[in-house]
Amino acid sequence: EDQVTQSPEALRLQEGESSSLNCSYTVSGLRGLFWYRQDPGKGPEFLFTLYSAGEEKEKERLKATLTKKESFLHITAPKPEDSATYLCAVQAPGGQNFVFGPGTRLSVLP
Amino acid sequence: NAGVTQTPKFRVLKTGQSMTLLCAQDMNHEYMYWYRQDPGMGLRLIHYSVGEGTTAKGEVPDGYNVSRLKKQNFLLGLESAAPSQTSVYFCASSLKTSARLHFGPGTRLTVT
Repeated sequence: EDQVTQSPEALRLQEGESSSLNCSYTVSGLRGLFWYRQDPGKGPEFLFTLYSAGEEKEKERLKATLTKKESFLHITAPKPEDSATYLCAVQAPGGQNFVFGPGTRLSVLP
Repeated sequence: NAGVTQTPKFRVLKTGQSMTLLCAQDMNHEYMYWYRQDPGMGLRLIHYSVGEGTTAKGEVPDGYNVSRLKKQNFLLGLESAAPSQTSVYFCASSLKTSARLHFGPGTRLTVT
């Protein structure tokens, strides 16, 4: 069974304090790993897609990396506006379903 | 370009009542999905559609029905609501099967 776990469950950072969020997955053949950002009361917004081990993607203060068993979302010098829940999802070959992790709730304090 | 819209935004039902959630997208996407999101759990797929006139079951389909009569609309129905269906419901669409999902703003449903 395809599974996704995320750690930590919640993370509090001071503005400018860099850190990483983890997404661990078990899937029989990864078709794609997706990162989304979700603000309170809103739908998730797409951040990145990673397809193969070793791949990296960057956007502003965020950088996503992928290995064969996990992905990291690195946040460099975060700002309060980066506060959100970050969701990770995987898709296996032949399936329509994206399996989502429970998310990491990030709070960046000024 | 509104993207994905959902109506209503909030709803309170009593056990046994029925309702329909409407999802609309203006991006000409083939694929549409209904997810539910509960505290501490990831988004779970209820039903999905790979094109107009098609529907399929997801991970948690029991107690729900769907229809996709028009390409731009995907309806989620609850025939007899139960407290276990209290959740936030998200509709999503995608251009193709492995593409990113575009989510709607969600519907918060409470069943008492």
